[in-house]
Amino acid sequence: GAVVSQHPSWVICKSGTSVKIECRSLDFQATTMFWYRQFPKQSLMLMATSNEGSKATYEQGVEKDKFLINHASLTLSTLTVTSAHPEDSSFYICSARVGGRPRGDTQYFGPGTRLTVL
Amino acid sequence: GQNIDQPTEMTATEGAIVQINCTYQTSGFNGLFWYQQHAGEAPTFLSYNVLDGLEEKGRFSSFLSRSKGYSYLLLKELQMKDSASYLCAVNDSWGKLQFGAGTQVVVTP
Repeated sequence: GAVVSQHPSWVICKSGTSVKIECRSLDFQATTMFWYRQFPKQSLMLMATSNEGSKATYEQGVEKDKFLINHASLTLSTLTVTSAHPEDSSFYICSARVGGRPRGDTQYFGPGTRLTVL
Repeated sequence: GQNIDQPTEMTATEGAIVQINCTYQTSGFNGLFWYQQHAGEAPTFLSYNVLDGLEEKGRFSSFLSRSKGYSYLLLKELQMKDSASYLCAVNDSWGKLQFGAGTQVVVTP
């Protein structure tokens, strides 16, 4: 149980284009999903918290107009990188948590999406 | 601010034991997680501690002391496939995971 999928697993795009990444919880309902970014040899940095049916909460320094997050259902959240630039090239990982309580709920991670912007 | 410290790299031989320490200072505490991450892949859940003490799960054990802001992950009977980055993460008051930079474990024959 607790499987999270991401699509696509990798994407290469030209500078200025937009890229959409999907995150799905396959066998459970996730009221909360998280989006992380990881640069080479660095740890995961939380970008935003996504709650079903409400606006995402962005971490300090993350541009909400550039990284659009939609959590349309209890099993799907999407991250759209708008007008991507080479510095947006990174490993994007989502996670999903069961339930709404902040205490002690394990986050299960998707396999990640490697974005390369040329 | 948030501060989670763990060593950058550790090397050990196959069959040995390695202990990865993690110290933390965070705004609130609702449990500590250890994840394993192989290069180019997403993290996989290893263990979770919310109360003081030792949690054992097969070859992996994790310990927590909340008063000391300290945890360790113990890997026993090391195998080559255990070569990976090990991430210490604290669940803060808001239910967000704050990650350490990760400890790269290198297992040698």
